[in-house]
Amino acid sequence: TQLLEQSPQFLSIQEGENLTVYCNSSSVFSSLQWYRQEPGEGPVLLVTVVTGGEVKKLKRLTFQFGDARKDSSLHITAAQPGDTGLYLCAATSYNQGGKLIFGQGTELSVKP
Amino acid sequence: EPEVTQTPSHQVTQMGQEVILRCVPISNHLYFYWYRQILGQKVEFLVSFYNNEISEKSEIFDDQFSVERPDGSNFTLKIRSTKLEDSAMYFCASSETSGQYSPLHFGNGTRLTVT
Repeated sequence: TQLLEQSPQFLSIQEGENLTVYCNSSSVFSSLQWYRQEPGEGPVLLVTVVTGGEVKKLKRLTFQFGDARKDSSLHITAAQPGDTGLYLCAATSYNQGGKLIFGQGTELSVKP
Repeated sequence: EPEVTQTPSHQVTQMGQEVILRCVPISNHLYFYWYRQILGQKVEFLVSFYNNEISEKSEIFDDQFSVERPDGSNFTLKIRSTKLEDSAMYFCASSETSGQYSPLHFGNGTRLTVT
């Protein structure tokens, strides 16, 4: 069974602080996605990483895919209250593009 | 921006009853999915659907579940005889292709409560 473990599960920080969320597995994946989910809504895709070692930036968010394609991280610089939400990592195996395996999520709270 | 729409947003049903959850995927998408999220747990894959047939299903998707694309726009999930443990958020998603470069677009979900 392929598992994705996210850490931490809960994170409460002050506005302006930096943070990193981790997504780890013992399995190799063909791609990994990061989603953000607001209460009462479905997950919204932030980024897809495909190549081992790949780094993608989305404004203050930096996403990295591990060299071995087993892990990923999301780093937020100078967090804002608007960053508050549930962050989910999800991965796909080879030849199973639409079957996502999700991590349990990281609930981020950024206080003004 | 086109979006996946799901109805109803909240469905309450009694144990043993049948429910149909409805989804309208993005119009040019060819691949359709159902996921569910039990309160406090991970989002879990249920089934994928392409070309009017199931492509893959998980262990959760047993004989009480079925999916259908009854017309050119709707994609439905039927639960034949609901159980208490079927209570969850059910998310529909669609994608243009099945490849790793084709992101899934999720609807806002239907909260199913079985009493």
